[in-house]
Amino acid sequence: RKEVEQDPGPFNVPEGATVAFNCTYSNSASQSFFWYRQDCRKEPKLLMSVYSSGNEDGRFTAQLNRASQYISLLIRDSKLSDSATYLCVVILHSGGYQKVTFGTGTKLQVIP
Amino acid sequence: EAGVTQSPTHLIKTRGQQATLRCSPISGHTSVYWYQQALGLGLQFLLWYDEGEERNRGNFPPRFSGRQFPNYSSELNVNALELEDSALYLCATPPAGRPGTDTQYFGPGTRLTVL
Repeated sequence: RKEVEQDPGPFNVPEGATVAFNCTYSNSASQSFFWYRQDCRKEPKLLMSVYSSGNEDGRFTAQLNRASQYISLLIRDSKLSDSATYLCVVILHSGGYQKVTFGTGTKLQVIP
Repeated sequence: EAGVTQSPTHLIKTRGQQATLRCSPISGHTSVYWYQQALGLGLQFLLWYDEGEERNRGNFPPRFSGRQFPNYSSELNVNALELEDSALYLCATPPAGRPGTDTQYFGPGTRLTVL
């Protein structure tokens, strides 16, 4: 089983739709979680951190479910500019260093 | 503040050659992480440098090596290049003064092509 798994998609959704991605992780000791956005042939950019209590930034909501070991990203009122690949990141702190694991990404295509 | 910078933007080499990639973190940042993103694969962690020392290493062969200089810039060296080394190589740093912080900001990457 991969340490971090994402559905590669693509998710093709119309403008204005709500779309959700999940990302599962295998190590229950993982401590920090993030969502990044990566545009084609560009570097990943931090989208938001993910907390157990859930957090919201405008149209984006991130949730962490420790019991089921997954994080989610919800995008409401999708815009064409949301088209990108969304990467989840799981970090485990161990022995004074951190192990950073990226998912392979979920591709989102918002269509007019 | 200026972001993370990487050079060169593109690099074309042939099998067996060596490649050197460079990264400069944001001023004041002491940690540099290197990642490989091959086509169809996720970002794979390569190396982590902090305060001039290698702190952690991903699951890559020894021909992937690097170093960090006193000014905290870093080099990634790949020896005996193989075709499958063709990828986007990204470096990232956490926010200044918080080396243990998990958030990472990426440079634009170096696209290495091995022919």
